[in-house]
Amino acid sequence: QQQVKQSPQSLIVQKGGISIINCAYENTAFDYFPWYQQFPGKGPALLIAIRPDVSEKKEGRFTISFNKSAKQFSLHIMDSQPGDSATYFCAASGGGSNYKLTFGKGTLLTVNP
Amino acid sequence: ETGVTQTPRHLVMGMTNKKSLKCEQHLGHNAMYWYKQSAKKPLELMFVYNFKEQTENNSVPSRFSPECPNSSHLFLHLHTLQPEDSALYLCASSQVARDSSYEQYFGPGTRLTVT
Repeated sequence: QQQVKQSPQSLIVQKGGISIINCAYENTAFDYFPWYQQFPGKGPALLIAIRPDVSEKKEGRFTISFNKSAKQFSLHIMDSQPGDSATYFCAASGGGSNYKLTFGKGTLLTVNP
Repeated sequence: ETGVTQTPRHLVMGMTNKKSLKCEQHLGHNAMYWYKQSAKKPLELMFVYNFKEQTENNSVPSRFSPECPNSSHLFLHLHTLQPEDSALYLCASSQVARDSSYEQYFGPGTRLTVT
């Protein structure tokens, strides 16, 4: 019930391409879905987040798509750049444990120049 | 200082040593967290403090002992660790309200190596 499944585990994209990372959750009480970006040697940093009252949120080159009925959400990185190379984590929280984030296992994104 | 800070950034300790990790948040948040991040594993939540009260202990071995003296500071006391405890230890903070979830802000982590 508390799992968040993330795929793919790793992704290689050419510069200028679109990177897509997918997550699926089971707990229908989740109401907050953030994405974190982590560079080597750094802590995760909040990238973008969405709540289930909208199906899409866009910030610059980063877009979250949310499908409540399918219990899935995804991160799209448009015009991917080598500087986007990092590990990306999806997460979810809500219900009786709104203070606690459940994380996916992460996706290592490599953007080739 | 801004955000969430952690000290030390790197720590090498023997299995019989006692050391402490420190975390400080400058965001006025009311909740603080300790996570363990190992290679090829998801972030593992270890402890949660809401308003200085421990509300979560995810079956963490007693060789890890948290302390939260106030809402801005969090410590993780370490003793008689095992080599498998080597990992990146991350601190985070957030503002928790009754009916809403809010983002967590992470520190840079302490890279711990147990020899």
